[in-house]
Amino acid sequence: DAGVTQSPTHLIKTRGQHVTLRCSPISGHKSVSWYQQVLGQGPQFIFQYYEKEERGRGNFPDRFSARQFPNYSSELNVNALLLGDSALYLCASSPPDMTGYGYTFGSGTRLTVV
Amino acid sequence: GENVEQHPSTLSVQEGDSAVIKCTYSDSASNYFPWYKQELGKGPQLIIDIRSNVGEKKDQRIAVTLNKTAKHFSLHITETQPEDSAVYFCAASIEGGGSYIPTFGRGTSLIVHP
Repeated sequence: DAGVTQSPTHLIKTRGQHVTLRCSPISGHKSVSWYQQVLGQGPQFIFQYYEKEERGRGNFPDRFSARQFPNYSSELNVNALLLGDSALYLCASSPPDMTGYGYTFGSGTRLTVV
Repeated sequence: GENVEQHPSTLSVQEGDSAVIKCTYSDSASNYFPWYKQELGKGPQLIIDIRSNVGEKKDQRIAVTLNKTAKHFSLHITETQPEDSAVYFCAASIEGGGSYIPTFGRGTSLIVHP
């Protein structure tokens, strides 16, 4: 079975631009969560979606948005990019019962804002 | 919200020695404590977890302990090997009610010298 897949793997953007990151969960998983990991720190929670509905939102500005599609894949959008948005963006998927066992991360998208 | 503190930030040991990583959490309602290992270029991978109804759990060379009163939990790795070198993250969350959003510590970089 394929794990959580994220695209692209690396991305370089200029300040003020917009970016879209994509995530495909493990087959059968209905929940997707997004995390931001700045170098040298732990992952910080951004969003969680379950069955296309937002279940949780972290302490991030409105420039960050996300959505989940009928096939449970997800997109994370960031507008008006700042230098401080440079980070590894991780997606994790969870099975329908939302237990901790099922929290599987992808390898992430490395975003560099210049 | 939950706050997780993790120490030390860097841990250097000789192959065969033991390694201990300690975490504290702030929300007494947290009942699920996973540990993740992140290798270079990869997303975090769950290696072991513990729930609040047990005080200790072991899986081969890895063990976790939990002290609910002190809101403290630890990861113990015995007989360390060079392939144990990675960044380790502790996390705390409330599991149940259809949602699971772990809060992560800042990570410990474990270096095992051959």
